[in-house]
Amino acid sequence: DAKTTQPNSMESNEEEPVHLPCNHSTISGTDYIHWYRQLPSQGPEYVIHGLTSNVNNRMASLAIAEDRKSSTLILHRATLRDAAVYYCILRDAVSGGATNKLIFGTGTLLAVQP
Amino acid sequence: NAGVMQNPRHLVRRRGQEARLRCSPMKGHSHVYWYRQLPEEGLKFMVYLQKENIIDESGMPKERFSAEFPKEGPSILRIQQVVRGDSAAYFCASSRGSYNEQFFGPGTRLTVL
Repeated sequence: DAKTTQPNSMESNEEEPVHLPCNHSTISGTDYIHWYRQLPSQGPEYVIHGLTSNVNNRMASLAIAEDRKSSTLILHRATLRDAAVYYCILRDAVSGGATNKLIFGTGTLLAVQP
Repeated sequence: NAGVMQNPRHLVRRRGQEARLRCSPMKGHSHVYWYRQLPEEGLKFMVYLQKENIIDESGMPKERFSAEFPKEGPSILRIQQVVRGDSAAYFCASSRGSYNEQFFGPGTRLTVL
């Protein structure tokens, strides 16, 4: 799986938007970009994923660069509950079942200040 | 729809004992994954199973660890003769299909004394 690079940590204020960047310069044409997050003392939680177009769901938005070498997870209004480690993960959609595993990097630790 | 269930949530074992961790996937999910998170480290994939089959065990330690997902009942991660280095949080995830998102359980925190 191609590797991703994320900042180690970021800070945000409550009620403000948060932009979490991820670089994946060696992404292949069949790699989907997935985001998961892990709240303290909990299991990871799926957030969003996309291939080429920007994506929105109830939790967040995913903005994907035109060349797909980077992406940004956008939390529109951060809450204290959004404090977590956010992981950007690439998953190859066509390599078959053997690559279903998620390869977690170190992620970005998001702190939200009241 | 209940989420992924893991039990026990906390497990304490002495060195040399066996640990059995159970995972019940979400209803309708036939794909199960086990991950381990050592203290102060990231999540590492261990094994991927479908009903009665191990699909990918590339992350499993070569000795003492085994996993199964029988036709009936939960998936089991078994650690024989535990050592202090096995102390970690073990997370199970399930998915509906090969490329669907994975839903994680709350984890089992294993402490080896």
